[in-house]
Amino acid sequence: QKEVEQNSGPLSVPEGAIASLNCTYSDRGSQSFFWYRQYSGKSPELIMSIYSNGDKEDGRFTAQLNKASQYVSLLIRDSQPSDSATYLCAVRGANNLFFGTGTRLTVIP
Amino acid sequence: NAGVTQTPKFRILKIGQSMTLQCAQDMNHNYMYWYRQDPGMGLKLIYYSVGAGITDKGEVPNGYNVSRSTTEDFPLRLELAAPSQTSVYFCASLGANQPQHFGDGTRLSIL
Repeated sequence: QKEVEQNSGPLSVPEGAIASLNCTYSDRGSQSFFWYRQYSGKSPELIMSIYSNGDKEDGRFTAQLNKASQYVSLLIRDSQPSDSATYLCAVRGANNLFFGTGTRLTVIP
Repeated sequence: NAGVTQTPKFRILKIGQSMTLQCAQDMNHNYMYWYRQDPGMGLKLIYYSVGAGITDKGEVPNGYNVSRSTTEDFPLRLELAAPSQTSVYFCASLGANQPQHFGDGTRLSIL
């Protein structure tokens, strides 16, 4: 079982809709969780971090964490074409971040 | 504060040549990492370091070497370049209770 698993997608949503990206992880003791956005040809950039159960909102982005279910998600409200990118879920281990393979999101104008 | 700096940004090598990809960070992070990312694929960890003088293998270390003589620098060495090493290489650093910061990447083609 991989450390971090994401729906590989691709995911397409119309402009203005809510995009929902999901991630599960295997280490029940994990405490730190991150979402990175990667545009084609660019390096990953951090968009959200979450450490406690529940929701964390930042602008149009909401990260949700459920440690009991070992599940973390990212919601993008009012999706824009500029949100089209690959989204990477990451979970911090002892010496490293474990990354999922990413979900490619396309927002259709 | 430049963050994580990688050089060069692009490079073309011939099969069998060697080169060093440079990575430097100015955030005093103990942890540093090298990843490769093939087209349409996820990040694969090559090597990592938890501090100066300490390095360890990641998921795909074959064909690469690293050193960590200072906290700031973490170069990646390719000794005998092979076409399978054509990829985009990302260096990253991680501090205590902080998220990982990535460099802009090095696009390497081996022909």
